[in-house]
This record gives sequence, structure tokens and C-alpha cells, in this order.
Amino acid sequence: EPEVTQTPSHQVTQMGQEVILRCVPISNHLYFYWYRQILGQKVEFLVSFYNNEISEKSEIFDDQFSVERPDGSNFTLKIRSTKLEDSAMYFCASSESPGVVGSYEQYFGPGTRLTVT
Amino acid sequence: DQQVKQNSPSLSVQEGRISILNCDYTNSMFDYFLWYKKYPAEGPTFLISISSIKDKNEDGRFTVFLNKSAKHLSLHIVPSQPGDSAVYFCAATSGTYKYIFGTGTRLKVLA
Repeated sequence: EPEVTQTPSHQVTQMGQEVILRCVPISNHLYFYWYRQILGQKVEFLVSFYNNEISEKSEIFDDQFSVERPDGSNFTLKIRSTKLEDSAMYFCASSESPGVVGSYEQYFGPGTRLTVT
Repeated sequence: DQQVKQNSPSLSVQEGRISILNCDYTNSMFDYFLWYKKYPAEGPTFLISISSIKDKNEDGRFTVFLNKSAKHLSLHIVPSQPGDSAVYFCAATSGTYKYIFGTGTRLKVLA
């Protein structure tokens, strides 16, 4: 069964450093997303991405964040200058094209745990 | 800004009985609702969804009910199994690809 994969599973970085989290969405999916979950809190939407541009973004997704689809398979989240409060699990998800029945369902990767020290 | 709320942080149910997880929302523009299950150290897994034009959707042991006037949805699991023990999130969207998740309910099914 196709699945979303994410690397690395755990990333430790120092405050102020740049990090890039990587995701490989399901191959026939066209919408891609990043979410985060701070320990013990709810899953928070960060951004959705379609046709090589951002579709929606939340208030959390400020200028420190960026997303990119550098090739036909990877989808990345970059945090330019990490802060302590960026420590969280980051989940990538993907979904099929709109117009397909049931296309709102998203398939999540296992997550990357980001620890900022 | 808690547009989607799950007021019960935890729920314990005996194996074989019904589990009922509740979710309330405030945004009347939401038109599609989803339930996800999450195990520790894994990403959320899609369970079942419902469009606002319906009031019930069923898939095997899982049924989602939507009461638009009360802005309330619920997930029924029957019969509950120990493997159902997980955190359950409801999520909502208003026809866009921005999804708002609830805070989650930890379900424990007792053998």
C-alpha cells in the first residue's frame, strides 16, 4: 500500500540554525501539506501546496518557513532560523486531486521530531 | 481560536461495548468533517469522513453522525476492540485545503 514517508525521523538542531524536513508524498497525489504537533497539544495546520504554489497557510507559517517541491517526488519544509518553540513533531500529508470522490482525505507520514536546543 | 473542540480528553470503554467520541465546531462554513486515529510515534490515520449534506456515514464498525444545527459530530465505534486504543482527532474544512483539527480524545478499550 502506498504511503507517505518522511526523513529524518528525529532532527536535533541548535537555536538559530536552518533545518530542512523532507517528505515523499504518495505518487499520484497532487496536494501536499505540513502540520505540526507540539507535545501534548493538537495537530496544527501549517500550509497546503498545489501546482507548485502555496494554497493556504496558517498564522504559524510566517516568513521563517518555506516549502518547496524541488523535484517530482520530494516535498520539503524549511525553517530558516529555528527557535526553541519550533520543537514539535512535523507531519507531512498528501491527498488526491480535488474533484476525485473522497479527495479531502489526507494520508499522513510518520512525522519528524524536531528538537531545538 | 478553537474552532473545533473535543471536550473529553480521555475515554475508557470495555471491549465489545460502544465507544462514542464527540466533537463540536463553531464555524458554520465547515462543510466536510473527518476523523483520524493516531498511535504514539505515528502520523494520524484517516478513519472516516462526512460531508455536510449528510447526517450519517458508516464504514464497518465506524459510524459518524453529523448534527449541523447543533454543530456537533460524533464517532461511534461498535464493537470496540483493544486495538482501537489510540488518540482520535476530528478535523474540519470549509471547502478549502486548510484543515482544522480538534485537541483529540484518548480512547482506551479495556480487555
